[in-house]
Amino acid sequence: DAGVTQSPTHLIKTRGQQVTLRCSPKSGHDTVSWYQQALGQGPQFIFQYYEEEERQRGNFPDRFSGHQFPNYSSELNVNALLLGDSALYLCASRRQVNTGELFFGEGSRLTVL
Amino acid sequence: GNSVTQMEGPVTLSEEAFLTINCTYTATGYPSLFWYVQYPGEGLQLLLKATKADDKGSNKGFEATYRKETTSFHLEKGSVQVSDSAVYFCALSDVGGYNKLIFGAGTRLAVHP
Repeated sequence: DAGVTQSPTHLIKTRGQQVTLRCSPKSGHDTVSWYQQALGQGPQFIFQYYEEEERQRGNFPDRFSGHQFPNYSSELNVNALLLGDSALYLCASRRQVNTGELFFGEGSRLTVL
Repeated sequence: GNSVTQMEGPVTLSEEAFLTINCTYTATGYPSLFWYVQYPGEGLQLLLKATKADDKGSNKGFEATYRKETTSFHLEKGSVQVSDSAVYFCALSDVGGYNKLIFGAGTRLAVHP
């Protein structure tokens, strides 16, 4: 049983560019959340998707957007990249009914130059 | 708003030493509390959890007790191993809605033979 898978694992962008990160949830999971983990910090909640809709959002600007597909997979898009967007982006999934039991992927490490 | 505060690291111990990592929280209502562990190059893994006051979560020799009176959830292990070297994150599940996780900054543990 595959866990949460994310792609790409590493990527480098320049300021002003746009990036798309992808996530496939663990089998049987229908809710996907995205977190940003800056170096040396704890993960910060970006947003959560359930039934293809954004259900909750953290304190992130509109440059951060997402999508959930009918197969429950998800994308995180970041526009107009800033140096400060350099971080590890973690995807987490769970069953909606199983509140709080999150399973995390290994993350996508984004470097903005 | 809700928040989690962890003791700063790194914590450096010899094998078989006793471990305590302090965690306190601020929250409205009665959140669930978690410890996650992040091994080098990997995503976060749930270590243990507690869902109500006085609950004790335990796993792999680690324990933590949900103390509502002191708003604490300290992580302990009686005898650490080199393989326990990792970053440990305390987190709470935001009450209501879609239960996003709020993490502390993490505590790095290094165990030497």
